[in-house]
Amino acid sequence: QSVLTQPPSVSAAPGQKVTISCSGSSSNIGNSYVSWYQQLPGTAPKLLIYDNNKRPSGIPDRFSGSKSGTSATLGITGLQTGDEADYYCGTWDSSLTWVFGGGTKLTVL
Amino acid sequence: QVQLQESGPGLVKPSETLSLTCTVSGGSISSYYWSWIRQPPGKGLEWIGYIYYSGSTNYNPSLKSRLTISVDTSKNQFSLKVTSVTAADTAVYYCARAHPSGYIKSWGQGTLVTVSS
Repeated sequence: QSVLTQPPSVSAAPGQKVTISCSGSSSNIGNSYVSWYQQLPGTAPKLLIYDNNKRPSGIPDRFSGSKSGTSATLGITGLQTGDEADYYCGTWDSSLTWVFGGGTKLTVL
Repeated sequence: QVQLQESGPGLVKPSETLSLTCTVSGGSISSYYWSWIRQPPGKGLEWIGYIYYSGSTNYNPSLKSRLTISVDTSKNQFSLKVTSVTAADTAVYYCARAHPSGYIKSWGQGTLVTVSS
């Protein structure tokens, strides 16, 4: 059971928009920045969003992040088949431990 | 651009100690949280722990009694030891660099460690 709660799976058609939620508590999301990671099969996770809503260089603006209270959301617009992957949220928890969400599998139908 | 590379045995016997090393290139071990993360086959990411460049450590409470993370700044390496391993410790182990504000931009490619006799 992960400290951060994500839906196990989401799906949408190519070109559509999808959102992935990440729910936590005041000891983690409510008190820290949230980051999001994309993991393609057989590869290491890749940073998509940091500091709640910032994109590293090279990440297209189809990817966006937001945070409100103890929850965060990853948005992906203009879905492409190449976006099929597992997505994880992460943040600091109390006592400077790190926590991940359980992961969400995105299927582009 | 910093790069990280894990190294160590791919097979460990039950009850023995798992040992991995992460070599950092393209930058020095400073001002970041040098971390270990693992992913059991077909499952999600699990944070193991980190060592700050100053040498202070922090571990996942569920694994803490079996963990040691250390750093060798002269070699630009940090290491992980997990004692008394069981099949539940079978996973892909990643080393990574965590920024203080709370994100992990640099990851190693990962190394699969299987616990089996």
